[in-house]
Amino acid sequence: GENVEQHPSTLSVQEGDSAVIKCTYSDSASNYFPWYKQELGKGPQLIIDIRSNVGEKKDQRIAVTLNKTAKHFSLHITETQPEDSAVYFCAASGSNQFYFGTGTSLTVIP
Amino acid sequence: DTEVTQTPKHLVMGMTNKKSLKCEQHMGHRAMYWYKQKAKKPPELMFVYSYEKLSINESVPSRFSPECPNSSLLNLHLHALQPEDSALYLCASSQVGTANYEQYFGPGTRLTVT
Repeated sequence: GENVEQHPSTLSVQEGDSAVIKCTYSDSASNYFPWYKQELGKGPQLIIDIRSNVGEKKDQRIAVTLNKTAKHFSLHITETQPEDSAVYFCAASGSNQFYFGTGTSLTVIP
Repeated sequence: DTEVTQTPKHLVMGMTNKKSLKCEQHMGHRAMYWYKQKAKKPPELMFVYSYEKLSINESVPSRFSPECPNSSLLNLHLHALQPEDSALYLCASSQVGTANYEQYFGPGTRLTVT
């Protein structure tokens, strides 16, 4: 089955700086890669996703890049704000379910 | 509207109790999911319903019993749980039951088994 690795597990940045979270996957058949943000006491919220026919996607301060050859994808958050503090999960689509990364706890220091 | 609602928000139950978790979506999605999430871990898939039929059961113990009464509702019946079953139970839905579509999660039910 699919195996998704996510790094780093924790990340602290100063407000206004950029944050980058990286994931790798093992199954070359995976073709959909969502990113979720989970705040304390809440369910995961889909923030951006990318499909394998696209190399990059951007939505305001958030962007995702995908390298199919290397089997890795990354989340980029620019101009970070304190409200970006949360746990972020990447995922890769397997044959019939999502396989989640282990999560990155992002702290934005005001 | 991408809202999935779950009730109750919190539940405390003893090991001999029977309780149910409820999930509802009105997005016209035809696939619904139950996940279990332990602290500081990613969600773990438990069950998938596709077009109101159980399509995936990830070897979940029989003390968890899912039910999909219609395309908008999903229940999880709990009976004789163990303390290690304490977790956040998340419901999600997607347009169809393949892994290539966005899944939208509810806020979860925080379950404590005493």
